[in-house]
This record gives sequence, C-alpha cells and structure tokens, in this order.
Amino acid sequence: AQTVTQSQPEMSVQEAETVTLSCTYDTSESDYYLFWYKQPPSRQMILVIRQEAYKQQNATENRFSVNFQKAAKSFSLKISDSQLGDAAMYFCAYRRRYSGAGSYQLTFGKGTKLSVIP
Amino acid sequence: DAGITQSPRHKVTETGTPVTLRCHQTENHRYMYWYRQDPGHGLRLIHYSYGVKDTDKGEVSDGYSVSRSKTEDFLLTLESATSSQTSVYFCAISLSRESHGVEQFFGPGTRLTVL
Repeated sequence: AQTVTQSQPEMSVQEAETVTLSCTYDTSESDYYLFWYKQPPSRQMILVIRQEAYKQQNATENRFSVNFQKAAKSFSLKISDSQLGDAAMYFCAYRRRYSGAGSYQLTFGKGTKLSVIP
Repeated sequence: DAGITQSPRHKVTETGTPVTLRCHQTENHRYMYWYRQDPGHGLRLIHYSYGVKDTDKGEVSDGYSVSRSKTEDFLLTLESATSSQTSVYFCAISLSRESHGVEQFFGPGTRLTVL
C-alpha cells in the first residue's frame, strides 16, 4: 500500500518570502502521479500542481513549483513571493498511473497548515 | 468550478439515525469518490464508483454504503450513524483516462455531526 507523509504539521512564512513544504511517499510502483492540493478556510479542495513520475522536469505553476526527487521519493512544494491568500492547509497526494478495473483513488498526507505573516 | 454539488452542506443528526449524503455532477465524469476528512488524518477514501451501478469499497468503508443509479448522482448512506462518523465528507470526480482527466475535482464538502 502506498503511504504519503507530511512531516511538518504547521509552518509559517513572511509575506513576500519563500517557503518549502515537504512530502515523502512510499510506493513499489514506478509510474504514478503526485499532487499538491490547497484547502483554504472555505474548506474547498483546490488543485495547486501535479507531477508525472515519468517526467524528470519539475512542474511549475506561476509562484508554485515542486522539487521531485524520484529516487528519494520526495516531492516538496515551493511557494515563492508568498501572499496572504496562500494561507491554507496543503495536502500532498499520490495516485497510481495504471489501475485496471480498480480505483484511481488519491492517497493523501495528513497536511501542513501554512500561515502567512503580514 | 468543476460542476459538483453536495447536499446537504451541513447536517446534525443523532446516533442511530440513517443519513444520506448526495453528490451531483454536471460533467458526465465516469469516476466518483467519497472521502472523509478528519483532523490528523488527511482525506481517506470511503467508496468509489467507476460507472452506473459499479461501486467498490475504499479504505474506511465500514458503516457506509453507496449507490449510483445515474451517472450524475452518487449517494453515500450511513445506515445507523455513530459519533465516530462525525466528519467532513467530500465527493470527488475524475475522468481517469491517461490522455487527460488525471486530476480529481472536489465538491464543497458536507459537515456531518452525529450527537
């Protein structure tokens, strides 16, 4: 079974600074997807970024980028130029690429609560 | 907005009563999921559906049943609610084909309190 670990329950960052959230995972699969989801106080789950394991290039989306280290099974999220609206819970998630007749379920970490200090 | 609604958005009920949560999508996506979110646990899969009348269990399925009679609707039923089922419940949808639709899109969530 796959597991996803987020070792930082809470983090804080000064507005306009950069912060990195950590995620490690365990899987025996070689092909999979990794995601970061953001959950603001509104409770809505918002996809921030995704990474395909077969791609060596790290994904980027505007101020959000990842550092994907496949051999180390590490998938960290970097937020640059942090804004007040970035304050939220952030969840790392894993999905196997091929599932056959089974589920394409996401396996989530427990989350990191990010606070942004004005 | 991925066209997913959940009803009700909030519900308070008593132990032992049946409860049904509804997820409705307008995207015609094949896969639908029910997750629960609890502090310190992230989101965990309860049940999922891969087509009309095709459902299967997830990680935390005990005490829950589901039904999908139409593509757009996926119902989650707690036959006899217990306090341990107090949680926030999320519905999600995905296409789950390799060319596209890898992502899951989530509904707004339902906060259920069982007294």
